[in-house]
Amino acid sequence: KQEVTQIPAALSVPEGENLVLNCSFTDSAIYNLQWFRQDPGKGLTSLLLIQSSQREQTSGRLNASLDKSSGRSTLYIAASQPGDSATYLCAVREWGSGGSNYKLTFGKGTLLTVNP
Amino acid sequence: DGGITQSPKYLFRKEGQNVTLSCEQNLNHDAMYWYRQDPGQGLRLIYYSQIVNDFQKGDIAEGYSVSREKKESFPLTVTSAQKNPTAFYLCASSMPGGYTFGSGTRLTVV
Repeated sequence: KQEVTQIPAALSVPEGENLVLNCSFTDSAIYNLQWFRQDPGKGLTSLLLIQSSQREQTSGRLNASLDKSSGRSTLYIAASQPGDSATYLCAVREWGSGGSNYKLTFGKGTLLTVNP
Repeated sequence: DGGITQSPKYLFRKEGQNVTLSCEQNLNHDAMYWYRQDPGQGLRLIYYSQIVNDFQKGDIAEGYSVSREKKESFPLTVTSAQKNPTAFYLCASSMPGGYTFGSGTRLTVV
């Protein structure tokens, strides 16, 4: 059974700092990996999607890497801002039975606070 | 703009009542999903549907039911058999790429 772990569970940094969020997964036979952001009481906003054949994806100040063989992904946030404060969730999409790829398994998230 | 609409945003249920959460998408996605989110437990899959008129149980389907009569709609009914329904419910859809989530419904038992 796939398990996704995110470390640290919470992180507090001063504004302007570069930071790294970690995600690990137990089964490397994944279809893709997706990073989401969740603000309190809100739904999930997709940040970056990395296909299993890719090593990294970039969007603005965000960079996500994937090392499928070691079961790890990192989300790098450059020059953090107070508006980046949120919970960041890592989710792995697996190959389901019969070749369907339906199942998304989530980590419990990292609560990020960026202090002005 | 394409997206997923969940309603209502807040829902209160009395003991013994069934309630239905609405999820509509205009993304033309085939697959749709319902997740439940509890503090400290992350998101857990309740039901999913890969095509109209077909759906499958997820990891925590007991006490829930769904239907998929239209591609755009995937309502979730929380029945009286669900003993601890207070949670944040998220609907999602997907293509062979990433997932898109709705804004959620917070259900509280009163």
